[in-house]
Amino acid sequence: DADVTQTPRNRITKTGKRIMLECSQTKGHDRMYWYRQDPGLGLRLIYYSFDVKDINKGEISDGYSVSRQAQAKFSLSLESAIPNQTALYFCATSKGLGDLDTQYFGPGTRLTVL
Amino acid sequence: GQQVMQIPQYQHVQEGEDFTTYCNSSTTLSNIQWYKQRPGGHPVFLIQLVKSGEVKKQKRLTFQFGEAKKNSSLHITATQTTDVGTYFCAGGGGSNYKLTFGKGTLLTVNP
Repeated sequence: DADVTQTPRNRITKTGKRIMLECSQTKGHDRMYWYRQDPGLGLRLIYYSFDVKDINKGEISDGYSVSRQAQAKFSLSLESAIPNQTALYFCATSKGLGDLDTQYFGPGTRLTVL
Repeated sequence: GQQVMQIPQYQHVQEGEDFTTYCNSSTTLSNIQWYKQRPGGHPVFLIQLVKSGEVKKQKRLTFQFGEAKKNSSLHITATQTTDVGTYFCAGGGGSNYKLTFGKGTLLTVNP
């Protein structure tokens, strides 16, 4: 969805490096999410944020941190990257409609940790 | 916590054959959503089912939500090469209204 953008789209880094993946949205949504996708494992939630002051851990938050700089921006950091963090990372947003919420995904960032 | 199982993991069909993917939840869902991810792309929302026993259609795609709101299926009639991709179900009703995604079914279509 062009309204959700992620930078960079591809990144190769080395073990131990700190890297940041950025997500921006123009949809005006309050909720933002970070997922990672690995072959055969589907989409796993890393962190989610319901507003600027509300950040929550997902099912696989170890080794990651996030920052919600503004309603429109949600960044994911890997403090010290390791090879098993090689994956496709997606940012998503939603309006916040309770049980009727649906999610809009960005184009993804392919991260390789050597 | 809520778990959503999806089968099969992979399905290869000849163009024109039908395809079905199934989704089962360990808990009762408030709603079920389906997403499609084309190769090299990102998940895109297809549809949401909310009511027990609900059936919705989108052209050749038929979506069903079980009576107990714990299972769902997506059926594609007469597949086309444009149907290739990974289909994810996602169950609503978890804590904080989060979605729980199934692992997806990768559909390939032989022309």
